[in-house]
Amino acid sequence: EAGVTQFPSHSVIEKGQTVTLRCDPISGHDNLYWYRRVMGKEIKFLLHFVKESKQDESGMPNNRFLAERTGGTYSTLKVQPAELEDSGVYFCASSQDRAGPYQETQYFGPGTRLLVL
Amino acid sequence: AQSVTQLDSHVSVSEGTPVLLRCNYSSSYSPSLFWYVQHPNKGLQLLLKYTSAATLVKGINGFEAEFKKSETSFHLTKPSAHMSDAAEYFCVVSVIYQGGKLIFGQGTELSVKP
Repeated sequence: EAGVTQFPSHSVIEKGQTVTLRCDPISGHDNLYWYRRVMGKEIKFLLHFVKESKQDESGMPNNRFLAERTGGTYSTLKVQPAELEDSGVYFCASSQDRAGPYQETQYFGPGTRLLVL
Repeated sequence: AQSVTQLDSHVSVSEGTPVLLRCNYSSSYSPSLFWYVQHPNKGLQLLLKYTSAATLVKGINGFEAEFKKSETSFHLTKPSAHMSDAAEYFCVVSVIYQGGKLIFGQGTELSVKP
């Protein structure tokens, strides 16, 4: 079974540019999450999809971030325009929904390392 | 509000000696608790999880953790460290009514000396 994949693995862009991160969850997983780790800080929740619907986007830092999940499959996270403070590692995770999402194991991708110069 | 505190940012042990990584949590509801590990340039991997069943949870690679409600702790232990255990470890809480959102501790970097 393929795990969660993320693309690109690294991205270096200049301030003001646009970057789009992609996440492919494990097949059949309805729950998809985005998290971010800024250097020196803890990993923080950004948002949660259930299939194609945004369940919780309380962690999105501002309206420069736009997440979508087309057809309930892969998800993209676009940052436009990027700022210096957006640098960090962006993780995607997916889970099933058998026992309730708070008990399910979330499977993480390797992350996308974003550097904004 | 829910929170997780990992009491040590860095722990160093010698190979073959016990490992103890400390974690305290705060939650208004019964939490699910997890330990994840991240090796360099890899994704987060689940070590073990507690979801209101047995309070002593066994995970992969010889790790285990004990849920102590009275102490609000979920410390991770291993009897004998191996060089391959060197990584960053995260204590994580997920709370009912939060849709599965995970709250992470700050992480503990484990170094293993030969």
